[in-house]
Amino acid sequence: QVQLVESGGGVVQPGGSLRLSCAASGFTFSSYGMHWVRQAPGKGLEWVAFIRDDGSNKYYADSVKGRFTISRDNSKNTLYLQMNSLRAEDTAVYHCANGGPDYWGQGTLVTVSS
Amino acid sequence: QSVLTQPPSASGTPGQRVTISCSGSSSNIGSNYVYWYQQLPGTAPKLLIYRNNQRPSGVPDRFSGSKSGTSASLAISGLRSEDEADYYCAAWDDSLSGLYVFGTGTKVTVL
Repeated sequence: QVQLVESGGGVVQPGGSLRLSCAASGFTFSSYGMHWVRQAPGKGLEWVAFIRDDGSNKYYADSVKGRFTISRDNSKNTLYLQMNSLRAEDTAVYHCANGGPDYWGQGTLVTVSS
Repeated sequence: QSVLTQPPSASGTPGQRVTISCSGSSSNIGSNYVYWYQQLPGTAPKLLIYRNNQRPSGVPDRFSGSKSGTSASLAISGLRSEDEADYYCAAWDDSLSGLYVFGTGTKVTVL
């Protein structure tokens, strides 16, 4: 079955950096575009970034453009999100999701606080 | 930032039919498929409807989706206690401000 497992979250100070990973299994990773979606505590879903199946094109929400970078390693079935210049408003659970998106991981919590 | 508008809440008694609306624009719902997600408390979102009205395997036929112009709706018939959750619509967006957009979310309460 499809499994998406995020890791790399934690507490970071404003202005700091984190790199999230998403390990995928149960489907042909290299055939699917992948998303990062976040959810701030008690708030709704916010799309963050998308990368095409071969990594050729990447798209970002205005709120993270220039600070976050999405990437993937199809040989390792892994998706990444490099987050720089973090702000308090980036505090959220970050989910990776495939395709439509269709399947979602449980997420990893990122807390930006001094 | 959400650009699809949903009512913040909806409710019904067991067995009733509840409908959730989702309003967008020509760059998203008006020109792309609509997806619906169910998020139970403390869990990841689950795909409920794709391509406007298609149900993934395992989703009960009590859930149905429709789309007309720049709006869409999700109907839950035969409401059950386990349907109490947050529901989000979503769509790809052709504008320059982002590729994919979610609705503001609707909390469904079973009375």
